[in-house]
Amino acid sequence: DQQVKQNSPSLSVQEGRISILNCDYTNSMFDYFLWYKKYPAEGPTFLISISSIKDKNEDGRFTVFLNKSAKHLSLHIVPSQPGDSAVYFCAAGGGTSYGKLTFGQGTILTVHP
Amino acid sequence: GAGVSQSPRYKVAKRGQDVALRCDPISGHVSLFWYQQALGQGPEFLTYFQNEAQLDKSGLPSDRFFAERPEGSVSTLKIQRTQQEDSAVYLCASSLRQGTNDGYTFGSGTRLTVV
Repeated sequence: DQQVKQNSPSLSVQEGRISILNCDYTNSMFDYFLWYKKYPAEGPTFLISISSIKDKNEDGRFTVFLNKSAKHLSLHIVPSQPGDSAVYFCAAGGGTSYGKLTFGQGTILTVHP
Repeated sequence: GAGVSQSPRYKVAKRGQDVALRCDPISGHVSLFWYQQALGQGPEFLTYFQNEAQLDKSGLPSDRFFAERPEGSVSTLKIQRTQQEDSAVYLCASSLRQGTNDGYTFGSGTRLTVV
């Protein structure tokens, strides 16, 4: 039972253009969502989060959008840079008091110079 | 240290062997998590500690898996009688407060290969 899904295994984008990574969830108990970035041989690094009471959160080049009715969130990276090439994981939390997260399968982003 | 430290980085075990994986969280961090990441998948929750108390172990796949954090700092994940399906990266993460939704800090993981 995959409660958090990232349906695109990979995404390829030209430097300077927008990268859009998508994530769908099924559990209505989730009340906050996060994006993590992972380089090879390293642990995931927290990127940006959004609470379910908001529909948008922005941090520099990164913006996360949440559509609760559709149970869908997306991460926009503008402009994309070659250093953004990594695996991006969507994660969801809620229903516990201590921050247990449920992760998607990840999307490999490649930004070409 | 500045980050979450895990050791060893790589472990090859023969099927049936017991292994112990160590996690040194960031000093003072109350919450500690273990996750298992299979190849091509996202991390999956194994267990959670608040200081020395193991408050959730619902993600441990079988009774061969055991975790402890006796003094509320260093944690060890032990896997007894390893099987091939245990091959994965084991990630440890810690956070300063309970229930933070700002994300927590992961270590680089231990890659376990069972042959």
